[in-house]
Parts: sequence; C-alpha cells; structure tokens
Amino acid sequence: ELKVEQNPLFLSMQEGKNYTIYCNYSTTSDRLYWYRQDPGKSLESLFVLLSNGAVKQEGRLMASLDTKARLSTLHITAAVHDLSATYFCAVAVYGGATNKLIFGTGTLLAVQP
Amino acid sequence: DGGITQSPKYLFRKEGQNVTLSCEQNLNHDAMYWYRQDPGQGLRLIYYSQIVNDFQKGDIAEGYSVSREKKESFPLTVTSAQKNPTAFYLCASSMPGNTIYFGEGSWLTVV
Repeated sequence: ELKVEQNPLFLSMQEGKNYTIYCNYSTTSDRLYWYRQDPGKSLESLFVLLSNGAVKQEGRLMASLDTKARLSTLHITAAVHDLSATYFCAVAVYGGATNKLIFGTGTLLAVQP
Repeated sequence: DGGITQSPKYLFRKEGQNVTLSCEQNLNHDAMYWYRQDPGQGLRLIYYSQIVNDFQKGDIAEGYSVSREKKESFPLTVTSAQKNPTAFYLCASSMPGNTIYFGEGSWLTVV
C-alpha cells in the first residue's frame, strides 16, 4: 500500500524566516504534486514535479523532487502571513489506464507577524 | 470560464437518506475523481473515472456510488450505507497524467 507522509504536520513560524516541509512516499512514482488549501476552501495547484532532480520556484516557495530517495521538499523563503494555509503533497500512481493521486496528511502552516 | 462546478455547496442529510452531489466540468478532461476530506485530515479517494461509462473504486468506496454517462458529469451519491458521511467532498478532473484540478467542494452534514 502506498503511503505518503508529510512532516511536520503543523508549523508555526515567524515572518521573514525560512523553513522546509518534507514529503516522503513509499513506492516508485515520477510525478509529484504540491497543493495549497485555505480554510474551508478547495485545493490550489502549486507545483507539478515530473522527474528526478526537478526544481520549481514560484515567489517564496520552491519545490524539489528526488525520486531515488522518494522525497520531495517544499522550501519557504522569508515567510509572509499570506502563506498561512495547509500544504499537501500528492503522489501519482499509475497502473495500466489508471491514474490517481494519493495525498499526504498535510502541513498546516501558520506564519506569525 | 472553464472550470469544475460542484453543487450544492452545503447539504444536510437525514439519517437513512441518499443524497447526490453534482460535479460538472467544461475543461474537456477525460478523467474525473471524487475525494473526501475530514476536518484536519488529508484527502482520500472515493471513486475515479478515466472515460465515459467506466469508473473504478478508490480507497473508501463503501457507501458511495457514481455514474459517468457524460464526459462532463460525474455525480456522487452518498447512500444510507455510509454511516459517517459528514465531510467535505471534492470533485476533480484532469487529462491523464496531467495536473488534477479541483472544484470548490461540497460540505455534507448529517442531521
């Protein structure tokens, strides 16, 4: 059974600080997604990482993928309050014609002024 | 505008009642999905469909049913067999292998 684990589950940080969220998964996959969810809202796609060594950056967020280690990271640089949300990683699972995502438990990020 | 429309946004279900959540997409995506999210938790896959008239069970399909009669529509029925249906339900769609996009979600509460 595929497992996707994120840590930490909860992160409280001050504005201006840096931090990293980790996503480990238990089976082979070459496609990993990061999503953001605001309270009571739907999921917003942040990044799609398609290959080993992939790195993508958008504003203060940077995501990377190491398929050999089965690890993805989401790095936050100089955090601001607007980044407060829950962040999910999701791993793509393929089997014949099937294509589905298995989600991690999420990391609740609270950026304090 | 292109997107995924879920309705209703809020729904109350009485004990023993079946309810249906609607999901419509105009993105011309082949694949559609239903996920359930419980408070403070991640998403769990209920059902997914790669093509019209075909769908597969996800990890928590018991107590749910779906149909895929049209490419743009993938309704989810929460049956009375689902003993703990109170949750946030998210519909999603994608082209196979591409980013999965989500609708705005539907809140279901048992009263």
